[in-house]
Amino acid sequence: QVQLVQSGAEVKKPGASVKVSCKASGYIFIESWLHWVRQAPGQGLEWLGRVNPNSGDTTYAQKLQGRVTMTRDMSSSTVYMELSSLRSDDTAVYFCARRGSAEVFDLWGLGTLVTVSS
Amino acid sequence: DVVMTQTPLSLAVTPGEAASISCRSSQSLLDSDDGNTYVDWYLQKPGQSPQLLIHKLSFRASGVPDRFSGSGSDTDFTLKISRVEAEDVGIYYCMQLTEFPLTFGGGTKVEIK
Repeated sequence: QVQLVQSGAEVKKPGASVKVSCKASGYIFIESWLHWVRQAPGQGLEWLGRVNPNSGDTTYAQKLQGRVTMTRDMSSSTVYMELSSLRSDDTAVYFCARRGSAEVFDLWGLGTLVTVSS
Repeated sequence: DVVMTQTPLSLAVTPGEAASISCRSSQSLLDSDDGNTYVDWYLQKPGQSPQLLIHKLSFRASGVPDRFSGSGSDTDFTLKISRVEAEDVGIYYCMQLTEFPLTFGGGTKVEIK
């Protein structure tokens, strides 16, 4: 089954870090870039960056540069998004999404809620 | 960054009637390298992940009913629903993938009257 399975919800304190995983299955992992998008409560969608599962190359949104790291583990077909120095406005649902062969976001994870609260 | 300005903020539509959502970009989204305009439209139903409706301006994604259509050029884009159905409720987003960082419109909430 073609899917992206994300890790469970997290609660973190301000200043801490969080690492969210996204495990791909049902397709050839290295063939498609995986992107991260977040959605704050009641708000719109914000693109965070992308990782190439084959090369490990990354592109990040300038806004998060220095705080976000996207990596991949080819042995488990999993990508990770780590966000450091968390603030309350990082509270959001974090989605991973595949940009497939037609250059579209054709597969999304269900999202991981990250709550930052003291 | 490319700013995507989406209007209206919300829309209440009678089933069977047409609906139209507009998206305007702060710069041309025509990719001069390949001639594509990388504008997609997504629908996010309550509690769900976004789902692709239209890609590259006007191509319907697999399984999307033909009552959905996308059009436009350069900086002005439109999503039309020819006959709204109850299952079409949710928030619609335009997105540009021509320039990094990728950016989304603010969303249009569609409700049924």
